[in-house]
Amino acid sequence: DTEVTQTPKHLVMGMTNKKSLKCEQHMGHRAMYWYKQKAKKPPELMFVYSYEKLSINESVPSRFSPECPNSSLLNLHLHALQPEDSALYLCASSQVGTGAAYGYTFGSGTRLTVV
Amino acid sequence: DQQVKQNSPSLSVQEGRISILNCDYTNSMFDYFLWYKKYPAEGPTFLISISSIKDKNEDGRFTVFLNKSAKHLSLHIVPSQPGDSAVYFCAARPLIQGAQKLVFGQGTRLTINP
Repeated sequence: DTEVTQTPKHLVMGMTNKKSLKCEQHMGHRAMYWYKQKAKKPPELMFVYSYEKLSINESVPSRFSPECPNSSLLNLHLHALQPEDSALYLCASSQVGTGAAYGYTFGSGTRLTVV
Repeated sequence: DQQVKQNSPSLSVQEGRISILNCDYTNSMFDYFLWYKKYPAEGPTFLISISSIKDKNEDGRFTVFLNKSAKHLSLHIVPSQPGDSAVYFCAARPLIQGAQKLVFGQGTRLTINP
């Protein structure tokens, strides 16, 4: 299995809703990431988990709450989002340390629309 | 501060010819550079990477060249094929112990014309 699977593919939520994005990989990668991509912009890093522990938080607002329950799963909990949070949310995984040599594997993303 | 820059938003190339995509960076403390290809509504797909201690890496039709003195790298695709039409992102990994982040450039939209 060489894929990162993200669910759902599309999500529309109101500003008072609570929802979660899910990401799963079975490549044995011990680093997992959340990126956010707005239209015509590059992906921007949000969070990095290394060995199931949060190692990087790029000053992301607290309405985004990541969780890494085990080495294969990564969640992003959403609460009280704003319309400007509408974007493509990408999950990625890699080997720790040597990952850059082999590339980080990205999922297809969740297209989030906040109304 | 844009640490990784792709100054050409778009590039159009004839099928069968060489496509050259360029990327500049400002931070000397990157240890790896990567190229990704992205189709609409999909995640980026890894193409090729190069370590900062090398100046060339080749994989099939894709070759990446690194010029550290100029802080410049380029991706050569030869021969270009219609399926290569996509947005290409250059990315770099900072050389900080334990860092796992990638910094992306703005992307270049490559169109291969038949």
